[in-house]
Amino acid sequence: SAVISQKPSRDICQRGTSLTIQCQVDSQVTMMFWYRQQPGQSLTLIATANQGSEATYESGFVIDKFPISRPNLTFSTLTVSNMSPEDSSIYLCSVDRAVGETQYFGPGTRLLVL
Amino acid sequence: DAKTTQPTSMDCAEGRAANLPCNHSTISGNEYVYWYRQIHSQGPQYIIHGLKNNETNEMASLIITEDRKSSTLILPHATLRDTAVYYCIVRGSNYKLTFGKGTLLTVNP
Repeated sequence: SAVISQKPSRDICQRGTSLTIQCQVDSQVTMMFWYRQQPGQSLTLIATANQGSEATYESGFVIDKFPISRPNLTFSTLTVSNMSPEDSSIYLCSVDRAVGETQYFGPGTRLLVL
Repeated sequence: DAKTTQPTSMDCAEGRAANLPCNHSTISGNEYVYWYRQIHSQGPQYIIHGLKNNETNEMASLIITEDRKSSTLILPHATLRDTAVYYCIVRGSNYKLTFGKGTLLTVNP
């Protein structure tokens, strides 16, 4: 398995501001993903974070709202920009060590936007 | 990726086996069945996965029917800490995980 940490674990933010969430893995991984889980809902994939190139976004998610960086094989960030209360969710990072291998999840970042 | 159907909720007595069903009638030959669980809004925890053979690990057993159209996750001796939402996911060649609503398993004392 992989040991994945996320920072911050939780935050309360004002609308109109932005928050950057960090995801750190204990070893190099091929694929990193970002998910959102809105209150009472299941997980939805936001994007695949690609090392050295732009992230690949799922339908309904755009780079201007959720810019993603992945500077190396162990680290990625997700920014939630110009936040509104509808962005209140748990944001989760997940990784595949190699393509097609088991995907493991971080503990999540709980975001509340007032 | 193939869609899965799971019961919304199930109950199980502590110490008994919990059998969680999943239907995936449109599964393709190269798609795997994965099971994760999520305890009280923590990050999903990987349980087990399989292609066509039954699988067993320290957490659970996975029984896949011969036609691969359904599967059952078995927790042999459920404890209160097994109370969680259990997700059955069919993972295809694009390697993405598409989460449905899952089954809320409640283990009762």
